[in-house]
Amino acid sequence: GENVEQHPSTLSVQEGDSAVIKCTYSDSASNYFPWYKQELGKGPQLIIDIRSNVGEKKDQRIAVTLNKTAKHFSLHITETQPEDSAVYFCAASHNAGGTSYGKLTFGQGTILTVHP
Amino acid sequence: EAQVTQNPRYLITVTGKKLTVTCSQNMNHEYMSWYRQDPGLGLRQIYYSMNVEVTDKGDVPEGYKVSRKEKRNFPLILESPSPNQTSLYFCASRPAGVHGYTFGSGTRLTVV
Repeated sequence: GENVEQHPSTLSVQEGDSAVIKCTYSDSASNYFPWYKQELGKGPQLIIDIRSNVGEKKDQRIAVTLNKTAKHFSLHITETQPEDSAVYFCAASHNAGGTSYGKLTFGQGTILTVHP
Repeated sequence: EAQVTQNPRYLITVTGKKLTVTCSQNMNHEYMSWYRQDPGLGLRQIYYSMNVEVTDKGDVPEGYKVSRKEKRNFPLILESPSPNQTSLYFCASRPAGVHGYTFGSGTRLTVV
């Protein structure tokens, strides 16, 4: 089955700096890669996603890049703010049918702390 | 408001006493899923459902049961809970096609 590795496990930055979180996946059939943000006491919230036919996607201060050949994808947050502090999870899924349809495998999570 | 609702939010129970965690979504989503979250292990999928009466095992299904008799509901059943099932549980749903899941607020279960 799919295995997703996420690094780093903790990340501390100063307000205004950029933050980068990296993930690798094992199943070359995976074609959908969402990122989730989890604030304390809440469920994960989808913040951005990318499909395998796209190399990069941006949404205001966040962007995700995907390298299918190397099987890794990254989350980039620019101009970080204290409210960006949370746990971030990457995930991978194969959404085109087959036995993996509906499965979503998560990385271990990154605790991001943005210091004012 | 579009949401996934889980109940209860907190539950303390004893080993071997059957329990059910309910999950309901009001978005007419086809897919529903249960995850458990443990420190250092991230979120691991327990079971998922692609539609009514269609379910499949995730990565950690042992000790759990699910049912999908109606599109909106996807209860998680622990027939004989054990302390290693102490965890934070999340229910999630998504529409068919390539979309991310919407998660509920979680159920913190403690088995003593």
